Amino acid sequence: QQQVKQSPQSLIVQKGGISIINCAYENTAFDYFPWYQQFPGKGPALLIAIRPDVSEKKEGRFTISFNKSAKQFSLHIMDSQPGDSATYFCAASKKTSGSRLTFGEGTQLTVNP
Amino acid sequence: DGGITQSPKYLFRKEGQNVTLSCEQNLNHDAMYWYRQDPGQGLRLIYYSQIVNDFQKGDIAEGYSVSREKKESFPLTVTSAQKNPTAFYLCASSPGQAHTGELFFGEGSRLTVL
Repeated sequence: QQQVKQSPQSLIVQKGGISIINCAYENTAFDYFPWYQQFPGKGPALLIAIRPDVSEKKEGRFTISFNKSAKQFSLHIMDSQPGDSATYFCAASKKTSGSRLTFGEGTQLTVNP
Repeated sequence: DGGITQSPKYLFRKEGQNVTLSCEQNLNHDAMYWYRQDPGQGLRLIYYSQIVNDFQKGDIAEGYSVSREKKESFPLTVTSAQKNPTAFYLCASSPGQAHTGELFFGEGSRLTVL
C-alpha cells in the first residue's frame, strides 16, 4: 500500500527554470512532511521539511507548499541549477511513529545548462 | 566527524548465500533503520530499532534479519529466503522515538546477486 504518491517520475528543466515536484498522501495522521535530496551513489539528505500548521515554508531557492484539505504538498525549486540534478523524495510521518518515514517513489531531476 | 558508516559499499554474492551488511553510527542516536531502494519504488522500510535489544519489522521484512546488540551497530542479514535481493540498501538513524524529524542516512551498500 503506497501511502505517499509522488509525481512526476522524472523531470527535465532548463537552467534558471522552476522545478515542481508533487506529492499526495492518504493518512490524515501524518504530521511531518520532509523532502530528501539524493545524489548518485550517496544516501539521501534532508533538504527541507514542513508541518501542517503552515501552508508554505521557504529556504533559499527551495519552497514547500502544503495543502492540508487536498492532502497534497509540493517542492518548488526556483532558479534551478545543474547542481540541483538529483533524485528527490517526499516523505511523511506521524507523531506516534517517531522518525519512521513513508517515502514517495522519487523524482529524478535533470537541470540542463 | 559524526555520521553513519555502511560497509561494504559494493557486494557481489551468489544466489543462495546469506550476506551481512554492516551499519555503524557515532551520533549517539537511539533509533536505527534499514531501507531498501529500487528504481521507481522509493525507499521501503525493512526493519527498525528504537532501542538496544529491540527491533520491529518494517513493510518488507521477509527474507531479512537484524540484530541490535549495541547502540551504535545495526547489521542487516540478507538471507537466501529473500527472493530478489539485488538492490541498494540504506541504513539510517534518528535521535529516538520521541523525535519526529530528520533521518540521517549512510552512503548505502549496493548488493548484486549473481
